[in-house]
Amino acid sequence: GEDVEQSLFLSVREGDSSVINCTYTDSSSTYLYWYKQEPGAGLQLLTYIFSNMDMKQDQRLTVLLNKKDKHLSLRIADTQTGDSAIYFCAGGGGATNKLIFGTGTLLAVQP
Amino acid sequence: SAVISQKPSRDICQRGTSLTIQCQVDSQVTMMFWYRQQPGQSLTLIATANQGSEATYESGFVIDKFPISRPNLTFSTLTVSNMSPEDSSIYLCSVETGGRGTGELFFGEGSRLTVL
Repeated sequence: GEDVEQSLFLSVREGDSSVINCTYTDSSSTYLYWYKQEPGAGLQLLTYIFSNMDMKQDQRLTVLLNKKDKHLSLRIADTQTGDSAIYFCAGGGGATNKLIFGTGTLLAVQP
Repeated sequence: SAVISQKPSRDICQRGTSLTIQCQVDSQVTMMFWYRQQPGQSLTLIATANQGSEATYESGFVIDKFPISRPNLTFSTLTVSNMSPEDSSIYLCSVETGGRGTGELFFGEGSRLTVL
């Protein structure tokens, strides 16, 4: 089955860029997603990219997809303390809309 | 986007009891999904709930333990039956908006269950 891996932890300084990485094994995902989970909260959909795209930009967020290497990344420009959270990548969507989630990356933003 | 409301937001339950979690969406959706997030873990899909048909369960999850109802296009319930401490998790419902296959999958705030 699908396996989605992320690094566990990333620490950056406020104002710097953050890059959160994700690798996956199943190339049949129709969409690839990034979700944000703040402490004690549910999941917030940040952005998603269709599997035939290479890049998507949405304000401070840039998603890069390398299908050959099965690698997905989320870049957050000008990272703020409010960006501190756990970030999950997920693959799936399409006909079944089933999502397979990565292990989550804890982003800590230092003031 | 969609406004997804879950009840209860959190609860403390006794071993052996059952609890029903409700998920209400502010628009009609075809597919609703129930996920579990165990402490410190990622999310795992429990089942897919379509209106008018039996829920489809993922490997490792069974209807007797997690019965699901989907009486209409805006509402679903998940029951966690005969709970044990291992069932302590956040349970989240998810829906697709914007039409089937558009990729817009949103989550509720989750229901945090602690089983003593």
